[in-house]
Amino acid sequence: DGGITQSPKYLFRKEGQNVTLSCEQNLNHDAMYWYRQDPGQGLRLIYYSQIVNDFQKGDIAEGYSVSREKKESFPLTVTSAQKNPTAFYLCASKATNEKLFFGSGTQLSVL
Amino acid sequence: GQNIDQPTEMTATEGAIVQINCTYQTSGFNGLFWYQQHAGEAPTFLSYNVLDGLEEKGRFSSFLSRSKGYSYLLLKELQMKDSASYLCAVSDSWGKLQFGAGTQVVVTP
Repeated sequence: DGGITQSPKYLFRKEGQNVTLSCEQNLNHDAMYWYRQDPGQGLRLIYYSQIVNDFQKGDIAEGYSVSREKKESFPLTVTSAQKNPTAFYLCASKATNEKLFFGSGTQLSVL
Repeated sequence: GQNIDQPTEMTATEGAIVQINCTYQTSGFNGLFWYQQHAGEAPTFLSYNVLDGLEEKGRFSSFLSRSKGYSYLLLKELQMKDSASYLCAVSDSWGKLQFGAGTQVVVTP
């Protein structure tokens, strides 16, 4: 079955640690997105990529980094510079003029 | 940049109709999406509008006016399971896809 997979489902970060959230899709979509959601809030765009080896900052890119070395993969690293990383992280992908497909999300918490 | 506004919360009775408005300002427009999200879950797709007019899909309909930067989602024959957050999202000409803060719909018996 085609879809988009995020892992892990739950992740804990220690002070000063970088952590990487995985996002893989087998839908052959060019565009991929990372969003952050805080409790009771909407989705805020962190980074997005329209094509392999290219990505753009969203509204809240500070403290995060991404790579797009393969079409299928768009990992997000939450760096130690992100001082308030606790949130629900959603990865999504889409084809042109089609709907956005979401992964099941990763809940990141700070120890 | 983009600015997307929708009401924070709406309450309606089971069986009634609710209309959720969304206004947006964007540099270039390439489609508007509505998603439903239950707490702790990923959003699920409801509708996609790229041309002006009404799109009907069962109990849910979505309307778009590009000249007014306006859309609404209409939920008919409300059921308890429709209690959720409804997210409006706009795609600009460069592929940037941003969401509004969401409208929490509370359905009461």
